[in-house]
Amino acid sequence: DVVMTQSPLSLPVTLGQSASISCRSSQSLIYSDGNTYLDWFQQRPGQSPRRLIYKVSNRDSGVPDRFSGSGSGTDFTLKISRVEAEDVGVYYCMQGTYWPQTFGQGTKVEIK
Amino acid sequence: EVQLVQSGAEVKKPGESLKISCKCSGYSFTTYWIGWVRQMPGKGLEWMGIIYPADSETRYSPSFEGQVTISADKSINTAYLHWSSLRASDTAMYYCVQTQHYWGQGTLVTVTS
Repeated sequence: DVVMTQSPLSLPVTLGQSASISCRSSQSLIYSDGNTYLDWFQQRPGQSPRRLIYKVSNRDSGVPDRFSGSGSGTDFTLKISRVEAEDVGVYYCMQGTYWPQTFGQGTKVEIK
Repeated sequence: EVQLVQSGAEVKKPGESLKISCKCSGYSFTTYWIGWVRQMPGKGLEWMGIIYPADSETRYSPSFEGQVTISADKSINTAYLHWSSLRASDTAMYYCVQTQHYWGQGTLVTVTS
């Protein structure tokens, strides 16, 4: 299986400041069709996960533009600009290039 | 509006069988893969398997192959996750997912003697 490694695993942030989460895959996520199937999910406490970003940098509908994704190959980043209280939760990266699809361990974002 | 509505929480004993469901609406059920994701208490997300409802083609993650059965009934737009013999280690929240974008509300399965 492709191993997804996130860092940090815990991220205390100050309201209004920015936060970045790194995600590295054990092999390149570029698929034969040229796309890179790397998604980011948010899971607020007590809720189902919600996809924020698909194919590295595309925001899902309704996702604030404070969230942005970047990266290529094996290195990816989720950035949250101007963190708000509602952003508290666990964030997961996930690769969909290979079966089985695999998630990172999760990064817990909390307010300082 | 796409909706995935899962069956309610279950409390079972080790060795019992169980089938949980995921009722899908708001889109063509046979067009997209449906998957199941496990989340053990306080832990992360794990893909269990996926099914293509049009022809019931199924893929399992190696960790779950032989442990569960995924099926779908396209006449009622519903996907299922089935255990023939539960273990305490199956205690978890289970989510159904369509194209990674739409998630069910989760079904909590508790296995305890």
